[in-house]
Amino acid sequence: DTAVSQTPKYLVTQMGNDKSIKCEQNLGHDTMYWYKQDSKKFLKIMFSYNNKELIINETVPNRFSPKSPDKAHLNLHINSLELGDSAVYFCASSQGLFGSPYEQYFGPGTRLTVT
Amino acid sequence: GQNIDQPTEMTATEGAIVQINCTYQTSGFNGLFWYQQHAGEAPTFLSYNVLDGLEEKGRFSSFLSRSKGYSYLLLKELQMKDSASYLCAVRGRSNTGKLIFGQGTTLQVKP
Repeated sequence: DTAVSQTPKYLVTQMGNDKSIKCEQNLGHDTMYWYKQDSKKFLKIMFSYNNKELIINETVPNRFSPKSPDKAHLNLHINSLELGDSAVYFCASSQGLFGSPYEQYFGPGTRLTVT
Repeated sequence: GQNIDQPTEMTATEGAIVQINCTYQTSGFNGLFWYQQHAGEAPTFLSYNVLDGLEEKGRFSSFLSRSKGYSYLLLKELQMKDSASYLCAVRGRSNTGKLIFGQGTTLQVKP
């Protein structure tokens, strides 16, 4: 059983297009995250939802819009894609927030290539 | 500001011991995590430290000194499959659980 799943695994698209990445977790966690990992392997938080409420919204262009229809799902929609958006996007989930020792579980990643 | 430093690359020999250091400067502190990431795969959790001292888990141990803003991950009896990136991540004292990741240390284990 896959704990955190993402679709698609690979996404190749042209500049200016709009695309979505979907994430689902079956761990019963109440918090979900989106991370971006660039070519230098630097993993950076973009968004986080706790019980469907947005709690982290880093300095990310407003072309990126997360949506959490329920606690088990967190999707990422990207408008007007740019070359600089090319990266691997990871979804993650965890149980609890502040003070929680619980680790984050990561999905397999979505490799986005913008041409 | 918030900053986490790790060496970019390390090389070690199969069967040996390697120590990967991490220093951090963050706005408050509420735990430090180590993750392992094989090429093309997702990060997976290795260890968690919130109090000073050593946490041991099989071949892997992690140490924390909060006063020095310092942690290390110790890998013993290295195996070829330990070749991967090791990411240090710190959770600051906020109510969001946000993790700040270092850029990772790529470890190559040679025969």
